[in-house]
Order: sequence, then C-alpha cells, then structure tokens
Amino acid sequence: DAGVIQSPRHEVTEMGQEVTLRCKPISGHNSLFWYRQTMMRGLELLIYFNNNVPIDDSGMPEDRFSAKMPNASFSTLKIQPSEPRDSAVYFCASSGEMGGGSSGANVLTFGAGSRLTVL
Amino acid sequence: AQKVTQAQTEISVVEKEDVTLDCVYETRDTTYYLFWYKQPPSGELVFLIRRNSFDEQNEISGRYSWNFQKSTSSFNFTITASQVVDSAVYFCALSEFSGGYNKLIFGAGTRLAVHP
Repeated sequence: DAGVIQSPRHEVTEMGQEVTLRCKPISGHNSLFWYRQTMMRGLELLIYFNNNVPIDDSGMPEDRFSAKMPNASFSTLKIQPSEPRDSAVYFCASSGEMGGGSSGANVLTFGAGSRLTVL
Repeated sequence: AQKVTQAQTEISVVEKEDVTLDCVYETRDTTYYLFWYKQPPSGELVFLIRRNSFDEQNEISGRYSWNFQKSTSSFNFTITASQVVDSAVYFCALSEFSGGYNKLIFGAGTRLAVHP
C-alpha cells in the first residue's frame, strides 16, 4: 500500500494566489482528515469527511478555505486568496471504520504533508 | 472540552539515558482512546500506540513503554536506553467523540533531542 499521498510536497506562492492541495487516501479508508501544523498553533484539525461527506468543518479558519471530496479516492483543500499567515504544513490523514462504526477510535495514517509558503 | 497537555516543550538527553514524556488529558467521555504519534525530522507523523480507556495495563514494545493512569488522567511514554534515532517530536492525542464521529485532538508535542 502506497499510504496517503499528498501533493505538492512544497508550494511557494505569492499572496493573493489560489492554492490547491491534493490528497489520495488509502484505498478502503472511509474517513479523511485535513490538519494544519504551525509553530504557534500546533496540529489543528481543519475538516474531516466520512464516506466523502464533510462531517465537521468547524476548524476551517475562514471562507478563504474550502475542501472537497468528490470521490473516495481524492480530496482537495483550496485556499483562495492565500495570505502569508496561511504558511504552514498541511497534512491529510485517512482512517478506516473500527468496531462497526463511530464507537471505535480509528488510527489515522498521515501523508507526508504539503509545506505551503505564502510570500 | 477535550484537552491534551504536554507540558514538556523540549527534552534533551544523552544517548542511553531513559526519558519519559508526559501527557495529561481532559475529557468527559467515559469511553475514549489515547494515542502517541512520532514526528521525526523528515516531517511525517508516525503512529506509535493506541490505548482505550478500559485498558489500564501498561504496554511495552521494545524500548518503548506506556503508562496509562486513569486516576491522574495521564498517559506517559518512556523510552529506555534512548538512541539518536529517537530524536523527534512526540505527540499525544485524545480521540473525541463529536457529532457522531471520532476525531483526534493533539497535544502541542514534546521535542526530544538525543545526543551522542
């Protein structure tokens, strides 16, 4: 299994530009999570999907951020327009169902991350 | 609200020393899960262990051991005979049951530096 695949690994862009980060979860996993890691705020959950449906997007910082999961094998996180304070490492993680449903606690498998620098 | 506290921001040890990373959590759930993840300098997050709230047995895996104490809401991680390759940031996390689904809440992490 190739694990969770994220692209790009590094992105440098200028303020105001649109940024799209991509994630391919592990085949068979039905939950997908986007996290952001910064020195100041640590690891923050931005949004998570279950069976391609967004369940909780309360962590999405602003309307400039949006995430989609059009099918079980692909998700995007878009920032438009980007700002310097969006500079961070963005992680995608996926997990499978445990114990027949949400009563379990799934082990998240993380991708390698996308390091975003907004100048 | 659920919360995970890793009070040690950075720890520096010399190779072969034992080191314990502390984790204290807060939750109102009666059933919950705790995790440890490792983030080496390469940046990826690597799963180490998951423990449920009903299992307070300590666990040992090679040089790694975990001490779960419900009475003090702690889930501490000990590395015995540390090695340079153990240098990483270690995150403790709590599984929060919210909106019918579980999600992980991470602590701030403890950066461990093991020197030769």
